[in-house]
Amino acid sequence: QSVLTQPPSVSAAPGQKVTISCSGSSSNIGNNYVSWYQQLPGTAPKLLIYDNNKRPSGIPDRFSGSKSGTSATLGITGLQTGDEADYYCGTWDSSLSARVFGTGTKVTVL
Amino acid sequence: QVQLVQSGAEVKKPGASMKVSCKASGYTFTSYDINWVRQATGQGLEWMGWMNPNSGNTGYAQKFQGRVTMTRNTSISTAYMELSSLRSEDTAVYYCAKARYCTGGTCSSSMDVWGKGTTVTVSS
Repeated sequence: QSVLTQPPSVSAAPGQKVTISCSGSSSNIGNNYVSWYQQLPGTAPKLLIYDNNKRPSGIPDRFSGSKSGTSATLGITGLQTGDEADYYCGTWDSSLSARVFGTGTKVTVL
Repeated sequence: QVQLVQSGAEVKKPGASMKVSCKASGYTFTSYDINWVRQATGQGLEWMGWMNPNSGNTGYAQKFQGRVTMTRNTSISTAYMELSSLRSEDTAVYYCAKARYCTGGTCSSSMDVWGKGTTVTVSS
C-alpha cells in the first residue's frame, strides 16, 4: 500500500510520447524532491531523473521530469522498444520519515 | 567505476535470520548513505531503511523496525543488512543503493547506483 499512486500501465507506438503520473500528498511530493527509476525485466532499478527534473549523465533527453503541487510526471518522447520496462517514482515522506516509492507503471511499446 | 557488489543468493527457513552484504568500490564509501530496498516477485519496490556509513546512524521503515539491522565495516567498504524472524513474505530480491548526493550532512532521497540484487527465499 504505497503512498504514491501511479497508473498500472501506459502504452504507445514507437516514436510516440508517453507520460506517467505520480500522485502523492503534501508530506511527500508536495515538499520533497522526486526521482524516477526505470527497471528493465530482471535487472536492478536505474535512476532516470532526480530532484524533480535533473538527468544523471548518460540519460538521454528523451526522458524528462516535472512536478506540480503534490503530483509529478515522467515524460518519455521518441519511444523505443528498449524503453519497455517498469517505471517507479520515489521521494521522501516527511510524515513517515521514510523514502517511498510509487506503485509502478509498466510501459509497453505497441 | 562506481559499483556495489552484493552477496549471493540465500535460502532460509522460517524464523531464521539473513544477512546480506554490499561492497562498495569506486567512490568514498563513507560519503554517501546506503539504502536497502526489496522487491517481491511481480511486486513493486519497498524501501527498508538507510545507513550513514560514516556515523553508522540508521533509519528504518516502520514496517521493519525491530527486525532489521543495518551495519557497516568501513575498513572494507561494506554495508550489511540483517533481517530476523524471517517468514515466507520476506522472500524477495534485496537491493542496496547509494544516495545520489549528500549536502550539509543530509543525503538525497534519490539513489544513483544499485547493486544487482540478492535473492532470498524463505521456505520450510
